[in-house]
Amino acid sequence: QVKLVESGGGVVQPGRSLRLSCAASGLTFNTYPMHWVRQAPGKGLEWVAVISYDGRNEYYADSVKGRFTISRDNSKNMVYLQMNSLRAGDTAVYYCTRGAYGQSIFDYWGQGTRVTVSS
Amino acid sequence: EIVLTQSPATLSLSPGERATLSCRASQSLSSYLAWFQQKPGQAPRLLIYDASNRAPGIPARFSGSGSGTDFTLTISSLEPEDFAVYYCQQRSDWPVTFGQGTRLEIK
Repeated sequence: QVKLVESGGGVVQPGRSLRLSCAASGLTFNTYPMHWVRQAPGKGLEWVAVISYDGRNEYYADSVKGRFTISRDNSKNMVYLQMNSLRAGDTAVYYCTRGAYGQSIFDYWGQGTRVTVSS
Repeated sequence: EIVLTQSPATLSLSPGERATLSCRASQSLSSYLAWFQQKPGQAPRLLIYDASNRAPGIPARFSGSGSGTDFTLTISSLEPEDFAVYYCQQRSDWPVTFGQGTRLEIK
């Protein structure tokens, strides 16, 4: 059974950094692209970033480009989101999700980890 | 960026009724559209991908249709557990984008 478990969220001051982690199990991890999607309080879903199955390619939403970095460690079945220069607008629940069939088809999601950017 | 517009924003229906949710794209998606259900405090759940393919384990009362710029999610006969927020999502072009959601509430 596929399981994705995010961690690393918390309360952080504007301008500071935070690293989120996502532990995957129950899948052949190194064959799937992995994504981060976020949801601000009371708002809709916003795609954040994707990393290819082999870690060679990454894409980002314009809202986080240059500040966030997605990475993965296929030996540990982990995907990460390094978030720098955090802003109040980055406050959200961050979900890790799998890209099924090698595409942006989000069939499995973690439970999310909450990030609050506040002074 | 492709903009997805969902309508209506809120849909009030009773159990047993038929629900029809719409998603319109700002440019053609071919069939690269998915639908998700989200309940309070939970992660989204994939219902339909590529416009009309039900995800594994999704009940047959959920169906998707459409292509190009106009898509529909239909729930044939509402069960109490179907009342939730529904999002559409496109993967036709980067960045991936979502609609703003339709809240399906009990009348």
